[in-house]
Amino acid sequence: GQSLEQPSEVTAVEGAIVQINCTYQTSGFYGLSWYQQHDGGAPTFLSYNALDGLEETGRFSSFLSRSDSYGYLLLQELQMKDSASYFCAVRDQTGANNLFFGTGTRLTVIP
Amino acid sequence: DTEVTQTPKHLVMGMTNKKSLKCEQHMGHRAMYWYKQKAKKPPELMFVYSYEKLSINESVPSRFSPECPNSSLLNLHLHALQPEDSALYLCASSLTGDGTYEQYFGPGTRLTVT
Repeated sequence: GQSLEQPSEVTAVEGAIVQINCTYQTSGFYGLSWYQQHDGGAPTFLSYNALDGLEETGRFSSFLSRSDSYGYLLLQELQMKDSASYFCAVRDQTGANNLFFGTGTRLTVIP
Repeated sequence: DTEVTQTPKHLVMGMTNKKSLKCEQHMGHRAMYWYKQKAKKPPELMFVYSYEKLSINESVPSRFSPECPNSSLLNLHLHALQPEDSALYLCASSLTGDGTYEQYFGPGTRLTVT
């Protein structure tokens, strides 16, 4: 089976940096994605890591360590609009593009 | 156009009703998905269509019936639902169903079964 564990809640101050961790167990690994979902909204794609290392996209960066079955999403210069739920996701064991989502982290940005 | 649209936005139905959810995309994507999301939980995959063929049915009850009339449209037919089926139903699409990692989600249909 597959499992992806994330902290359930994180609170951070506007302008700060926050890291959201994701540890995974899956029999076949094809990469780790991150999605953001605001309350009442649709999940939106943020980033994808297939190989070890850091991928940077503006204020957001994502890191992957395949040997540790671990990744994280780093949000810099936090803004109030970053308050949302963040999900890591893996493609399933067959390699098809069927996403299995982590438990989700609710990020609250405070002034 | 990078939009996935879903109708209706909200739906209330009784346990004996039959209704349908609709999803549409015009990005030329060839894979489309239905997810179910309960409050404060992650989306759970229900169905996958790849090139208009049902490729995955994640052991979903038969009271949910998907249909893909063409590459741009996806329907989810609902019949004899239970109150526990109340959830947000999300549609998504991706360029292909194999090797593409970004899925585009619609805003969802909030379903309440009474």
